[in-house]
Amino acid sequence: DVKVTQSSRYLVKRTGEKVFLECVQDMDHENMFWYRQDPGLGLRLIYFSYDVKMKEKGDIPEGYSVSREKKERFSLILESASTNQTSMYLCASRGSDVAGANVLTFGAGSRLTVL
Amino acid sequence: DQQVKQNSPSLSVQEGRISILNCDYTNSMFDYFLWYKKYPAEGPTFLISISSIKDKNEDGRFTVFLNKSAKHLSLHIVPSQPGDSAVYFCAASPMNRDDKIIFGKGTRLHILP
Repeated sequence: DVKVTQSSRYLVKRTGEKVFLECVQDMDHENMFWYRQDPGLGLRLIYFSYDVKMKEKGDIPEGYSVSREKKERFSLILESASTNQTSMYLCASRGSDVAGANVLTFGAGSRLTVL
Repeated sequence: DQQVKQNSPSLSVQEGRISILNCDYTNSMFDYFLWYKKYPAEGPTFLISISSIKDKNEDGRFTVFLNKSAKHLSLHIVPSQPGDSAVYFCAASPMNRDDKIIFGKGTRLHILP
């Protein structure tokens, strides 16, 4: 089974702090994603990466950056955290199921609170 | 502009009955459709998918139906069980594997005892 591990389950940070969210997958997948989940807004894509050192903006990239130095690791960076970035952050890795569909496997999530 | 819409934020169903969750999409370039289930404080887990060349896919208690002409898909859960209480996300993917997967806003399913 693909495993996607997010290093921090719960974080509390102060406004203006720099925040790193780490994600590691163990199945050699090329594509990795960062989403945030907010009530009533569903899953919104922040950034994704096709391969090492490659990144693409998703639907809501403002206030975030990412780093993909190794294939298995995809980091989300909040340069200066703000209260509107309080959210559940979900990392995902893409593989294929038996039918060939593009299936995302998610990590357990990182609940970030910015005070 | 929402490309994947789940118009029911919540749904309550009696245990043992059928749960039907609906999803509409607007982009005819979508090639695969997926359903994910999410419990609180956990990541979403993949449930079932369907290719645009099919109109039905079944896996145990879960069946997904696709109506391409109406750009509509539905997830049927029969019979509904207490552990099915969760948020269900519909997602759509274009054929290009390097393109992003689009999610709906989710439907919270409550299974009543």
